Amino acid sequence: GAVVSQHPSRVICKSGTSVKIECRSLDFQATTMFWYRQFPKKSLMLMATSNEGSKATYEQGVEKDKFLINHASLTLSTLTVTSAHPEDSSFYICSADGLSETQYFGPGTRLLVL
Amino acid sequence: RKEVEQDPGPFNVPEGATVAFNCTYSNSASQSFFWYRQDCRKEPKLLMSVYSSGNEDGRFTAQLNRASQYISLLIRDSKLSDSATYLCVVNRRGGSQGNLIFGKGTKLSVKP
Repeated sequence: GAVVSQHPSRVICKSGTSVKIECRSLDFQATTMFWYRQFPKKSLMLMATSNEGSKATYEQGVEKDKFLINHASLTLSTLTVTSAHPEDSSFYICSADGLSETQYFGPGTRLLVL
Repeated sequence: RKEVEQDPGPFNVPEGATVAFNCTYSNSASQSFFWYRQDCRKEPKLLMSVYSSGNEDGRFTAQLNRASQYISLLIRDSKLSDSATYLCVVNRRGGSQGNLIFGKGTKLSVKP
């Protein structure tokens, strides 16, 4: 099946720093990738839709200047959490549209902001 | 009303039991429906899509009632390995694979 990787799997950073998370589709091309966030005991929430070669579409309430998304190629999308704060600590998961009617999820990145 | 609502759970059942999860969705324009499972601290994995006619995959049976905007998942002969959180997932916009809306999930714990 299709494989999506994320890097890093875990990151701990100081408040005020920026963190970049990479999402790669390893064996297929994805024109569309999605970024989700999941807080403990909460639902997965869609943050933004990332389209290759164009600007990302952000969900209501998600600050585009804080969560920078770049989808420069058909196999790579990046999410940068700028000036991270403790409340940004969460589980960030990307997914990519596959050939069939399904999304393939990456293994997620745990972010802890101290 | 939340876009996707599920049984709160948790469900604690013995091995071999049959367990059913329910889910309702609010957007009548939704076209695609899925059940995902999520293990603790892992990403969600697609369990099965849900079709109008109902569909079965081994011990798992999914049903969809568009009139009631209701989805169900039945697990027969529960195994210890079925322990996980089951997520009801609906696409927000008809015909589009993107913009999946996840329910909060129902936790299942299968005991020996």
